[in-house]
Amino acid sequence: DTAVSQTPKYLVTQMGNDKSIKCEQNLGHDTMYWYKQDSKKFLKIMFSYNNKELIINETVPNRFSPKSPDKAHLNLHINSLELGDSAVYFCASSQDGNRRYTFGSGTRLTVV
Amino acid sequence: AQSVTQLDSQVPVFEEAPVELRCNYSSSVSVYLFWYVQYPNQGLQLLLKYLSGSTLVKGINGFEAEFNKSQTSFHLRKPSVHISDTAEYFCAVSEPGGSYIPTFGRGTSLIVHP
Repeated sequence: DTAVSQTPKYLVTQMGNDKSIKCEQNLGHDTMYWYKQDSKKFLKIMFSYNNKELIINETVPNRFSPKSPDKAHLNLHINSLELGDSAVYFCASSQDGNRRYTFGSGTRLTVV
Repeated sequence: AQSVTQLDSQVPVFEEAPVELRCNYSSSVSVYLFWYVQYPNQGLQLLLKYLSGSTLVKGINGFEAEFNKSQTSFHLRKPSVHISDTAEYFCAVSEPGGSYIPTFGRGTSLIVHP
């Protein structure tokens, strides 16, 4: 009965590969997000998406792309992985704006 | 634009002592304020939030925070900490309306010693 679930929890891959991280929420929330947490614990918003609008942080490289097959899923695709992409990626969802905001447990991506 | 400053990157404290984690924000409009806790190797969990009304907000695990508009602060307090409170604490701010995306501070690592 996990509210926001991400898979995989850990991902180790080589530079240049393409990978995806999946996120699913069963809360009925209307907006989903991807955050990147770097080695210094800083959380940076990457994308915000609902059925009306995709908001992209302009600093995110276009190698990163969100894909939403339906309202309950927001997957993160990353092309041509680089060493600097190593981080923990968090999915989150919310309803009624920011009054109910729930995070997944994170995916630790290591690029070697 | 909104921003959040967490003044202390690390706060060491002994078990059963009181603790205050500081958070200041800047925003040109009214705000929503949040504190999240991240235990090792886990996601963020909401501790408490201020949306409106009483400026003293009580959260889970015995934490509370006070919204001070004149000082633009939202400090987190607990009168007596436990070893299990050792974690990373994030303050966040968002503005009602718009994209609602909260801006997070850089986090404060609370380290509780026995």
